[in-house]
Amino acid sequence: AQKITQTQPGMFVQEKEAVTLDCTYDTSDPSYGLFWYKQPSSGEMIFLIYQGSYDQQNATEGRYSLNFQKARKSANLVISASQLGDSAMYFCAMREPGTYKYIFGTGTRLKVLA
Amino acid sequence: SQTIHQWPATLVQPVGSPLSLECTVEGTSNPNLYWYRQAAGRGLQLLFYSVGIGQISSEVPQNLSASRPQDRQFILSSKKLLLSDSGFYLCAWSVNLDISYEQYFGPGTRLTVT
Repeated sequence: AQKITQTQPGMFVQEKEAVTLDCTYDTSDPSYGLFWYKQPSSGEMIFLIYQGSYDQQNATEGRYSLNFQKARKSANLVISASQLGDSAMYFCAMREPGTYKYIFGTGTRLKVLA
Repeated sequence: SQTIHQWPATLVQPVGSPLSLECTVEGTSNPNLYWYRQAAGRGLQLLFYSVGIGQISSEVPQNLSASRPQDRQFILSSKKLLLSDSGFYLCAWSVNLDISYEQYFGPGTRLTVT
């Protein structure tokens, strides 16, 4: 069965530093999509970045990049130059072909320190 | 552009009372619609999803039900609320079966059952 694992319940990072949030996944399908979402204290879920299983390069979106290691089944989110506004919950998610469902991890709470 | 609305934003209901949460999407046709529940500080639990009018798939057996009376309207209901129904309810939409397409979330409804 498909599964997403986020092993870091909470993380701290100093402002302007980079931080890596871990995500591992389990699937037997060679085709899948991986997503990261940010959830601030307001509760809204904000889409950050997408990585396809067949993409040759790691995805990047501004200060967000995805460290995709297919053989290890990991898709870690890297946030560079952290800002106070980056303090939030971060969720990793996966979607497989032929299904309408998205599988979410349990999330990592990031706190950026001034 | 696409917009997703949810209401009410906050709700306090006594145990045993009925529930109706509404979600509507603008700017897209035939979306896939989803209801998630999030307990405080926890991950997302998929409750229902719908790929068309009148088509509802239930993921978790419980005292909740969902309906899709119109293409872009998704309703979450309960005849008698339980204390365990408290949480943050998120509606989301996506399109087709393309694994690269992310979900977009509404602002959420915070439900407290007393």
